[in-house]
Amino acid sequence: IAGITQAPTSQILAAGRRMTLRCTQDMRHNAMYWYRQDLGLGLRLIHYSNTAGTTGKGEVPDGYSVSRANTDDFPLTLASAVPSQTSVYFCASSDSAGNTEAFFGQGTRLTVV
Amino acid sequence: AQSVSQHNHHVILSEAASLELGCNYSYGGTVNLFWYVQYPGQHLQLLLKYFSGDPLVKGIKGFEAEFIKSKFSFNLRKPSVQWSDTAEYFCAFYSGGYQKVTFGTGTKLQVIP
Repeated sequence: IAGITQAPTSQILAAGRRMTLRCTQDMRHNAMYWYRQDLGLGLRLIHYSNTAGTTGKGEVPDGYSVSRANTDDFPLTLASAVPSQTSVYFCASSDSAGNTEAFFGQGTRLTVV
Repeated sequence: AQSVSQHNHHVILSEAASLELGCNYSYGGTVNLFWYVQYPGQHLQLLLKYFSGDPLVKGIKGFEAEFIKSKFSFNLRKPSVQWSDTAEYFCAFYSGGYQKVTFGTGTKLQVIP
């Protein structure tokens, strides 16, 4: 069982380019999340989805969009990348929104230059 | 808005020393509480969780945490740390009111052999 798979594991991206970070889970979890991890700031929630077909904004949604067309996939798109979006991005899922533990992917290290 | 405070950003201990990491949350209602650990270069993993019942919760690898509702705290403890405990520790909580999991900024623990 893979759990949560994120792709790519790392990426260097030119500013202004569009980028989609992929996240797939095989645990049939209802809730999925995208966090960014920055030194000294911990994990900050970008977007979340409590069930397929619904999404919501987290603490730092600006510049990012998500979709949840099905249970397994939760891609995160940067429409026009900026250097401040340089970060490590973690996708996570849980059986229900916060009532059970979250399982995390291995992360995507994104550098915007 | 809900928030989590972790008071210690960086802790350095010698092996066999006792550990206590502070965590306070700000929310007046019912919460689910978590401690996650992130070993160097890895993703976050659940250490322990509290939903209800006995406020003293035991987790993996000898860690425990105590929920003190009156103090809005959920401090993490371990009587004797090992070098392998070197990691970053994140406190998190979920509230039904916001339906999101909020993470603290993390505490880096360095254990010196």
